[in-house]
Amino acid sequence: DSGVTQTPKHLITATGQRVTLRCSPRSGDLSVYWYQQSLDQGLQFLIQYYNGEERAKGNILERFSAQQFPDLHSELNLSSLELGDSALYFCASSVGSGRVYEQYFGPGTRLTVT
Amino acid sequence: QQQVKQSPQSLIVQKGGISIINCAYENTAFDYFPWYQQFPGKGPALLIAIRPDVSEKKEGRFTISFNKSAKQFSLHIMDSQPGDSATYFCAAINQAGTALIFGKGTTLSVSS
Repeated sequence: DSGVTQTPKHLITATGQRVTLRCSPRSGDLSVYWYQQSLDQGLQFLIQYYNGEERAKGNILERFSAQQFPDLHSELNLSSLELGDSALYFCASSVGSGRVYEQYFGPGTRLTVT
Repeated sequence: QQQVKQSPQSLIVQKGGISIINCAYENTAFDYFPWYQQFPGKGPALLIAIRPDVSEKKEGRFTISFNKSAKQFSLHIMDSQPGDSATYFCAAINQAGTALIFGKGTTLSVSS
């Protein structure tokens, strides 16, 4: 168990809808990262927050947004969902920001868009 | 453009054998290369990592070999066990970066 928690574990929704994925980092970790895992694209970095501020952005669609709250938990919001958004979404956390800090991954949220 | 190329896509090894997974990268700014292990229904977990100033790093049955001039690195699993059956991802990150760049993954099956 990495200490990173994600809810919900599974999510099934329809095209055009909006969902929110939640992540609680390990105790003491200030950085939260979001990754998307799909069969065709593999594991891809979406966005990072460090202590409430956006730190880095990857291949995140404009329909997606995220935030990190004062208690350090993070939410990933996905809107106008398309079939192609079906994937596993992982949250990871680390103590600091930068390559020297190991990223610990949560168990993921499996999103199915029908 | 895929920045980290991983092969093979799948691998079947007999119990007690050696599993070898290879990765190649293009960006010479990468300077940290971790390997992650992922079991079904779980998130990736860091297995072992190497920096380019060393050519080899060993932790138990797991060894990373690194060839800086060829821009290649590989994971060797000695005495492979059925419990090692999982998907393995190589990754890379540069000094200024925070995001891991992952390979496509290798599904390892160790037969008993």
